[in-house]
Amino acid sequence: AQKVTQAQTEISVVEKEDVTLDCVYETRDTTYYLFWYKQPPSGELVFLIRRNSFDEQNEISGRYSWNFQKSTSSFNFTITASQVVDSAVYFCAQLSMDSNYQLIWGAGTKLIIKP
Amino acid sequence: ETGVTQTPRHLVMGMTNKKSLKCEQHLGHNAMYWYKQSAKKPLELMFVYNFKEQTENNSVPSRFSPECPNSSHLFLHLHTLQPEDSALYLCASSQAMGGTLNNEQFFGPGTRLTVL
Repeated sequence: AQKVTQAQTEISVVEKEDVTLDCVYETRDTTYYLFWYKQPPSGELVFLIRRNSFDEQNEISGRYSWNFQKSTSSFNFTITASQVVDSAVYFCAQLSMDSNYQLIWGAGTKLIIKP
Repeated sequence: ETGVTQTPRHLVMGMTNKKSLKCEQHLGHNAMYWYKQSAKKPLELMFVYNFKEQTENNSVPSRFSPECPNSSHLFLHLHTLQPEDSALYLCASSQAMGGTLNNEQFFGPGTRLTVL
């Protein structure tokens, strides 16, 4: 069955600390797509990244980096030198043929960055 | 305007009212989606349209009625709602659907709906 687990319900760190948000996925498909979205208090879901199952190369975008490991079915998200503006709920999601190409969402991790 | 816009941003309605939510995307995408986000529940996909044709209806009650007149516009018509329908309704669009590239979805700001 398709499933996305974000075990961390809420994380609170002080500004400038590094923080890693965990995402573990389950799928029987060999081809699938993984996503991270950010939802600030305004409510809009902001697309951050998409990863294809056949591309395990890690990605860095400014202070954001993603670690995709098929061996552990994980797609973790790290924010380096966190800032107050990073405070939001972060969602991990998965899409595959087995889910009829519907996004399967994790429950989200609320990230609080304290000044 | 750019991206995905939704109106109204906030809506309060009684159970006997009829109202409509509007979504417009300015990205030239072919697929549009309605999601419901309730407190402490995962995002729920309600409807999917691809090239104006409805491709998914995830067992949504008939008091929610979608309409997609063209690839840029999506409506959600509401009538005789229940208080448990109070939620954030999010619209999204994507260039393509399914197991292809360009399948990432871009979301609007949502409509916060309260049913009294």
